[in-house]
Amino acid sequence: DAGVTQSPTHLIKTRGQQVTLRCSPKSGHDTVSWYQQALGQGPQFIFQYYEEEERQRGNFPDRFSGHQFPNYSSELNVNALLLGDSALYLCASSLEDRASYEQYFGPGTRLTVT
Amino acid sequence: AQSVTQLGSHVSVSEGALVLLRCNYSSSVPPYLFWYVQYPNQGLQLLLKYTSAATLVKGINGFEAEFKKSETSFHLTKPSAHMSDAAEYFCAVSQPNFGNEKLTFGTGTRLTIIP
Repeated sequence: DAGVTQSPTHLIKTRGQQVTLRCSPKSGHDTVSWYQQALGQGPQFIFQYYEEEERQRGNFPDRFSGHQFPNYSSELNVNALLLGDSALYLCASSLEDRASYEQYFGPGTRLTVT
Repeated sequence: AQSVTQLGSHVSVSEGALVLLRCNYSSSVPPYLFWYVQYPNQGLQLLLKYTSAATLVKGINGFEAEFKKSETSFHLTKPSAHMSDAAEYFCAVSQPNFGNEKLTFGTGTRLTIIP
């Protein structure tokens, strides 16, 4: 049973560019959340997708957008990259099940903005 | 609003000694609480969770945590540290309302094991 997978593993971009990160949830999961983890910090919630819609959003600017596909996979897009966007981006999947409340994390995508 | 405070950004213990990592939470409703571990260059792995059942929660790798409402705490313990326990540990809180599963993390505690 494959866990959460993310691609690419590492990415280097230049200020002002745009980037797309991808996530495939754990088999059977229907909800995807994205988190940003800056160096030396805890993960910060960006947004969550369920049934192909953004259900909840953290305190991130509109430059951060996302999408969920019918197969539950998800993309995170960041426009007009800033140096401060350099971080580890984590995808987490879960099941819309009140009895579970477990989020499974992928290995992350390390984004470096120069 | 919800928040988590982890006391001690770095903790060092000798191999075989007790591990105690501290976490205090703030939440306007009864929370769900979690401990995650992160090894270098990896994602987060769930160690254990509290979801309003038993207040003493046992997790993987010999870790356990106790929910104390009066102290708003959820400290993580392990009786005997192993070298393989060296990692970053994060405490997180969630509010179990409909559609509200976002996790709010603390800033983490780096655990070092001294041989």
